[in-house]
Parts: sequence; structure tokens; C-alpha cells
Amino acid sequence: EVQLVESGGGLVQPGGSLRLSCAASGFTFSNYWMHWVRQAPGKGLVWVSRINSDGSGTTYADSVKGRFTISRDNAKNTLYLQVSSLRAEDTAIYYCARMGVDGATPDYWGQGTLVTVSS
Amino acid sequence: QSALTQPASVSGSPGQSITISCTGTSSDVGSYNLVSWYQQHPGKAPKLMIYEVSKRPSGVSNRFSGSKSGNTASLTISGLQAEDEADYYCCSYVGSSTAVVFGGGTKLTVL
Repeated sequence: EVQLVESGGGLVQPGGSLRLSCAASGFTFSNYWMHWVRQAPGKGLVWVSRINSDGSGTTYADSVKGRFTISRDNAKNTLYLQVSSLRAEDTAIYYCARMGVDGATPDYWGQGTLVTVSS
Repeated sequence: QSALTQPASVSGSPGQSITISCTGTSSDVGSYNLVSWYQQHPGKAPKLMIYEVSKRPSGVSNRFSGSKSGNTASLTISGLQAEDEADYYCCSYVGSSTAVVFGGGTKLTVL
């Protein structure tokens, strides 16, 4: 069974940083590209970032470019998102998701970790 | 990249059919047969219901179907059931530099 478990969220002040983690199991993690998607409270899904299977290629939404960094450790079956220079508008549930067989959109999703940016 | 356009809400009675539209542009929905649909119940993670416009993952009811015409994709749910009440999101590939874009979401109410 595919499982994705996020952690690392919490309350952080504007300008602060966090590292989000996503522990993967139930599939060969090193074979899959991965996404981060976020959802502000009461709002819709917004794509954040994507990384290829060996970590050599990354893509970001314009809204987070230069502030967020996606990475992975295939030996630990773990995906990361370093979030920095945080703003109030970054407050959201952050989901990690596996890229599906279509090679583009997500298929399996984790339960998410909440990041709250507030003073 | 702008979000895909979905109606904010749709409703239907048990047993009826409803359709949710997802309108993009010639740069996303219109260019690729890489449209997915997700169901999200309150407080839960999204669940993949349709991928590649019209394919159903294993375990998803055949009451769910997808289609596309031009820049608009659609999700149809037939034989509405109470448990179908949820938010639904479309998602389209938009190319290697931006990856994917989501719709704004549609709240389905089963009357």
C-alpha cells in the first residue's frame, strides 16, 4: 500500500523557515517524480513544486521560486521542502504527492502538514 | 499560470447525474490529454478519481467518468450517492516549466 506521511509543519513567524518532510513507503520511491501541493484554509489546491526521480531536476511555482527548495533522499525514501522567507500567504496545508502513471499529475497524496505563518 | 475555471458549486439529488466543467486554455487543457480529477472530503487528502482525461484508477466506481472537448474537460458522476458529496478539483499538465495547474474546485452537494 502506498503511504506518504508528511511532518515538520508548525507555527512560524513571518520571515522564518521550516523544513517539511514526506516519508514514503509501499512503492519504489527512487523510481518516481514527486510533487508538493498546498491548500490555504478554506481554499483550493495550488501546485508548489516538483522533483524528478534522482533529484537532479526541480521546478517551482513563481510564487515560491527563490524561497522554497525541494529535495529528496532516495536512501531514506524521504522527500523534503525547505520553506524560507515565509509570508502570511504561505499559510496552508502542504501535501506531498506521487506523480502518477500519466507522468504529469499526482496520483497518491499524503495527509498533509499545516504551516501557519503568523506573528 | 492561471488556475483552471470550475463552477463554485453544483448540486443534484440521489440517483441523478451531474457534470462539472473545467475550462483552461490552448496551453494546458487544450494541448494535452493529461487532465486528472480529484475528490476531497472535508479534512481529508485529495483522492484521484480520473486521469488522462477519462481513465479510472483501480477501485474507483464506474459512476465517475471524464471527457474533454477543446479547452474544457468535464467530470460526470452518475447515480449520485450521498457519499459523493465533496469538493472536486481538476488538474492539467501545462508543460515542463510549470508542471501542473489546478482548478479552483467545485463543491458538490447531494440534496
